[in-house]
Amino acid sequence: GQNIDQPTEMTATEGAIVQINCTYQTSGFNGLFWYQQHAGEAPTFLSYNVLDGLEEKGRFSSFLSRSKGYSYLLLKELQMKDSASYLCASMDSNYQLIWGAGTKLIIKP
Amino acid sequence: ETGVTQTPRHLVMGMTNKKSLKCEQHLGHNAMYWYKQSAKKPLELMFVYNFKEQTENNSVPSRFSPECPNSSHLFLHLHTLQPEDSALYLCASSQGAGDAGELFFGEGSRLTVL
Repeated sequence: GQNIDQPTEMTATEGAIVQINCTYQTSGFNGLFWYQQHAGEAPTFLSYNVLDGLEEKGRFSSFLSRSKGYSYLLLKELQMKDSASYLCASMDSNYQLIWGAGTKLIIKP
Repeated sequence: ETGVTQTPRHLVMGMTNKKSLKCEQHLGHNAMYWYKQSAKKPLELMFVYNFKEQTENNSVPSRFSPECPNSSHLFLHLHTLQPEDSALYLCASSQGAGDAGELFFGEGSRLTVL
């Protein structure tokens, strides 16, 4: 079956760095996506990886290892506004997104 | 207006009611989607429309009936729902069905079935 695993909740301190892990098992692979969803708001696209390695976008970076079925989202210089849920999704061979349940990130001052 | 707009934002209905959710996108996209989001569960894809044609129906019960009159508008008609259907219903759009990874979501319609 197809499955995405990510931690349910994480806590970090303002100004610090946090890494949110995601492992995936999908029928085929056409990319790994990360979305951010603030409470009561729409999910918004953060990043896309299809090749192995690190993609950096400002304070956020996303890493992919296809051989390990593993990705992480790295958030640096954490700000209070980064408190949100982070959704990992893998695109399968039918170009359908398979979603994780999301990681709720709590930032403390 | 820009982006993806959903109405109503909140809806409470009885099991015998009939109601509809509306979604409108102002992005010029050709694909639109309905997702169901329940607490602590992964997003569930319900329906996909590409150029107004339904291309996916992920075994959704017939009490949910989608309608896509044009590429900018999407409806979800609801009738004889069950309490377990209470959830956040998200509409999304993408450039085309082939760009289904980069989705633009609306803020959702929070549905409560009594």
